[in-house]
Amino acid sequence: DSGVTQTPKHLITATGQRVTLRCSPRSGDLSVYWYQQSLDQGLQFLIHYYNGEERAKGNILERFSAQQFPDLHSELNLSSLELGDSALYFCASGAGGLRTQYFGPGTRLTVL
Amino acid sequence: SQQGEEDPQALSIQEGENATMNCSYKTSINNLQWYRQNSGRGLVHLILIRSNEREKHSGRLRVTLDTSKKSSSLLITASRAADTASYFCATGDPNAGGTSYGKLTFGQGTILTVHP
Repeated sequence: DSGVTQTPKHLITATGQRVTLRCSPRSGDLSVYWYQQSLDQGLQFLIHYYNGEERAKGNILERFSAQQFPDLHSELNLSSLELGDSALYFCASGAGGLRTQYFGPGTRLTVL
Repeated sequence: SQQGEEDPQALSIQEGENATMNCSYKTSINNLQWYRQNSGRGLVHLILIRSNEREKHSGRLRVTLDTSKKSSSLLITASRAADTASYFCATGDPNAGGTSYGKLTFGQGTILTVHP
């Protein structure tokens, strides 16, 4: 158990809908990272927050947004969902920079 | 192509044998990390090797780093069926600024299957 929690575990929704994925980092970690993992794209970095501020951005679509709250938990919002958004979404936490990241169990999103 | 590319894509061995996976990368690095992922689950951090280190051990794991060749290898000795998983290397460019700061890039991974 990494100490990172993600909810929900599974999410099934329809195209065009909006969902929110939630992540609670390990105690003491200020950084939260979001990744998308699909069969064709592999593990793709989406975005990194450090103590509430956006620090790094990857291949995150404009339909996706994230934020980190004062209690350090983070939410990833996915809107106008398309079939291709079906994937595993992971959250990781860490001390920041290029140091070790601790991954949560993931949320499996299925868009029908 | 991606920073951090693993080779081979898939490896199948018998229990007790050693497994070696390689990773190549393109830019300068601060450190290189190896992670394991059991099917459909979160990644688990295995080992981190800094750019000024050449070799590091952790239990049955041995990691080497050759910054001149921009490559790393992960050796799992005396493999067990429980080692069956995908293995990823991850790198970050310490010189990356702006929106790439702190971004780790993962390779496509090596799928290791250890047969009992």
